[in-house]
Amino acid sequence: GQQLNQSPQSMFIQEGEDVSMNCTSSSIFNTWLWYKQDPGEGPVLLIALYKAGELTSNGRLTAQFGITRKDSFLNISASIPSDVGIYFCAGRTSGTYKYIFGTGTRLKVLA
Amino acid sequence: NAGVTQTPKFQVLKTGQSMTLQCAQDMNHNSMYWYRQDPGMGLRLIYYSASEGTTDKGEVPNGYNVSRLNKREFSLRLESAAPSQTSVYFCASSEPGALSSYNEQFFGPGTRLTVL
Repeated sequence: GQQLNQSPQSMFIQEGEDVSMNCTSSSIFNTWLWYKQDPGEGPVLLIALYKAGELTSNGRLTAQFGITRKDSFLNISASIPSDVGIYFCAGRTSGTYKYIFGTGTRLKVLA
Repeated sequence: NAGVTQTPKFQVLKTGQSMTLQCAQDMNHNSMYWYRQDPGMGLRLIYYSASEGTTDKGEVPNGYNVSRLNKREFSLRLESAAPSQTSVYFCASSEPGALSSYNEQFFGPGTRLTVL
């Protein structure tokens, strides 16, 4: 089946640093979603992307829909301790109901 | 608004027992979904309901049944639980409908199920 490669799998960063993560797909997607999941909670939608090349921000978070439509990127600027959690990407092809989820990037912030 | 709610939050079953996981949403969404989350596997779709009265299989439907009771509620049933069904189960809902280009899914807090 379709696969989403999300990287890095985990990362430690210093508070105040910028963070970058990405997802790549073997298929073309027309929608990308980015979620954050805190321990013991459900995923919370951060950013939704619908057009190739689209760049969308939500506070310190910025996500981009790759030009090839096979990838997406999430950047977090000036990280803070509450950014700790697992970040998931999810992609979907037009006309289908099913989202494919990445395996997550686990972010740990060192104060 | 509570968003998407799920009950129970935790459950322990013995192999062969049955149970139903409940999900409700108060956002008047048409589409609802059940996922399972396993370590290193991401979220995998079990079943979904595009609208009230319809249900369809997802990626991993074996061993599960669903009921879309009304527009608000979508339940997941395990008829004979197996250890391989130990997982965290998430319900999600979305509006507009499942096949719309602008489909954003919102998740519940999850049910943590252990099958011994």
